[in-house]
Amino acid sequence: EIVLTQSPATLSLSPGERATLSCRASQSVSSYLAWYQQKPGQAPRLLIYDASNRATGIPARFSGSGSGTDFTLTISSLEPEDFAVYYCQQYGNSPLTFGGGTKVEIK
Amino acid sequence: QVQLVESGGGVVQPGRSLRLSCAASGFTFSSYGMHWVRQAPGKGLEWVAVISYDGSNKYYADSVKGRFTISRDNSKNTLYLQMNSLRAEDTAVYYCARVGTTVTVLEYFHHWGQGTLVTVSS
Repeated sequence: EIVLTQSPATLSLSPGERATLSCRASQSVSSYLAWYQQKPGQAPRLLIYDASNRATGIPARFSGSGSGTDFTLTISSLEPEDFAVYYCQQYGNSPLTFGGGTKVEIK
Repeated sequence: QVQLVESGGGVVQPGRSLRLSCAASGFTFSSYGMHWVRQAPGKGLEWVAVISYDGSNKYYADSVKGRFTISRDNSKNTLYLQMNSLRAEDTAVYYCARVGTTVTVLEYFHHWGQGTLVTVSS
């Protein structure tokens, strides 16, 4: 099973700041990595798939990069609605696995 | 637009069974693989099971293998999860999710339902 490690666990930032979230895989997943945003009481929402492709309707301030074992989600300038928990997920190998999440909170 | 609506959650005693349903609309249900993903209270996401577009292929997480069965009725646009021998650690919100393309079942989750809460407790 591929283990995904997300860091940091919590990121405390102010609106307008840049957020950089990391996801590291225990073995290569090529570019088969997705990012999701989840707000309290809501289902996750797909942000990025295939490591760097934005899903439909996702603002351009969200970008993904990386391949192999190291991936990054960047939010260029945080909006108030961006404070949430973010998960990475790999689909390069079965079973599908998720990272433990990074909470982006208001500083 | 794509809509996934789960139902069937509730409180159940350990060792008992429960069946979840997920009603799909807004897309050609019979063309897409479908998944169940769960989230224990205050915890992260855990993939549970997947079924191919025609029901011919099914895969399960080790934690539920032999106890849970995923199925679908394409004539009713509905996905199911039969959960037997339930344990306290199965307590979670259960989401159904559709993959992004019709190419494969091992993919990202493009659309999610709102989830249904299953609580296993005596």
